[in-house]
Amino acid sequence: QVQLQESGPGLVEPSETLSLTCAVSGDSVNSGNNYWSWIRQPPGKGLEWIGYIYSFGGTNYSPSLKSRATISLDKSKNQLSLKLNSVTAADTAVYYCAKTLANWGQGTLVTVSS
Amino acid sequence: QTVVTQESSLTVSPGGTVTLTCASGTGAVTSSYYPHWFQQKSGQAPRALIYNTGTKHSWTPARFSGSLLGGKAALTLSGVQPEDEADYYCLLFYGGVWVFGGGTKLTVL
Repeated sequence: QVQLQESGPGLVEPSETLSLTCAVSGDSVNSGNNYWSWIRQPPGKGLEWIGYIYSFGGTNYSPSLKSRATISLDKSKNQLSLKLNSVTAADTAVYYCAKTLANWGQGTLVTVSS
Repeated sequence: QTVVTQESSLTVSPGGTVTLTCASGTGAVTSSYYPHWFQQKSGQAPRALIYNTGTKHSWTPARFSGSLLGGKAALTLSGVQPEDEADYYCLLFYGGVWVFGGGTKLTVL
């Protein structure tokens, strides 16, 4: 059974870049026709899809985040990453990674504050 | 940004049946939107229940079913259990972009 674990700094300063990784076990990020997504959830609010990357490297992003978000794969470490630049308090959220939207990590809380 | 609309809250009695719906701001929802449904209990990560309108994951209880109903995607819970109390989110596909609904808070009372 695939398992995903998000990690990264819990606190990011405004205007800086948020960087998260998602370690994958039980499957390969390089295999098959899978896609790997990032989703976030501000405290007390609903889910927001950020974007996804296919195993072959193709990406797609939410129009509202496209200019600031970058998703990539590190096949040597079997993980995916999310970078979100120029963050503001509105980017404070629990960030989740998921495999084909079926299997999700437990999420990691990122707070944007000085 | 496309808007996906769900009921904000619903209440159901234990053992009862309830249907949650998911509407698209662009018109009728069809199978081409590949509707997904997720359950999120308090303090937990979301769990996938249904994909591609009505296909269940191996872990999805039989009492959950997905369909298209009146131009919307629908999630029906039959024989509701107390542990089904949770937030439920639908997700629709718009040509490469996914959009979540705002979620339905289901109370079992």
